[in-house]
Amino acid sequence: EDKVVQSPLSLVVHEGDTVTLNCSYEVTNFRSLLWYKQEKKAPTFLFMLTSSGIEKKSGRLSSILDKKELFSILNITATQTGDSAVYLCAVLGGATNKLIFGTGTLLAVQP
Amino acid sequence: GAVVSQHPSRVICKSGTSVKIECRSLDFQATTMFWYRQFPKQSLMLMATSNEGSKATYEQGVEKDKFLINHASLTLSTLTVTSAHPEDSSFYICSASSQGFNYGYTFGSGTRLTVV
Repeated sequence: EDKVVQSPLSLVVHEGDTVTLNCSYEVTNFRSLLWYKQEKKAPTFLFMLTSSGIEKKSGRLSSILDKKELFSILNITATQTGDSAVYLCAVLGGATNKLIFGTGTLLAVQP
Repeated sequence: GAVVSQHPSRVICKSGTSVKIECRSLDFQATTMFWYRQFPKQSLMLMATSNEGSKATYEQGVEKDKFLINHASLTLSTLTVTSAHPEDSSFYICSASSQGFNYGYTFGSGTRLTVV
């Protein structure tokens, strides 16, 4: 069965800290891995990763994919309270080429 | 670009009534639209995939007669929750993609359904 597992489930840090969120997967017909940030409404797109070892970066956020070990990490440096959200990892693939979501990591950044 | 509009954002209905949720791609043609359901503090669960002009493909355990999906054009898909019950109360989210995956998977803003 295809699955995506995220860790930790939740995390509390202070402003300025650096955090690393993990996503491992076992998905047939892997096409890409996506990271989303979800606050109170629908998820907003952060990154799509297709190739191993190539870091994608956007401001204080960065992400990398390891297709050999079947995982990805999302790094956030110099965290701010506005980074507080649920971070979702999803893998595009499976028998029907759909997005398979992990359970998410709830990040709380305290002032 | 790649904006998906979902309407309504919030709806309260009585048990036994039907509710229609619309999902529109505003600046691209969405060949495929996806409908998800999310319970509090849980992840998104795919309910069904709809391709324009054809019948939706439902995930295991999702009642197709209860959750009617129509994808009549390249810019509009609708989800109708028929004979709603309190247990159908949830956050429903659509997402859309185009053939070339140029836009990845863009999500609508979601609909909070409360059945009383």
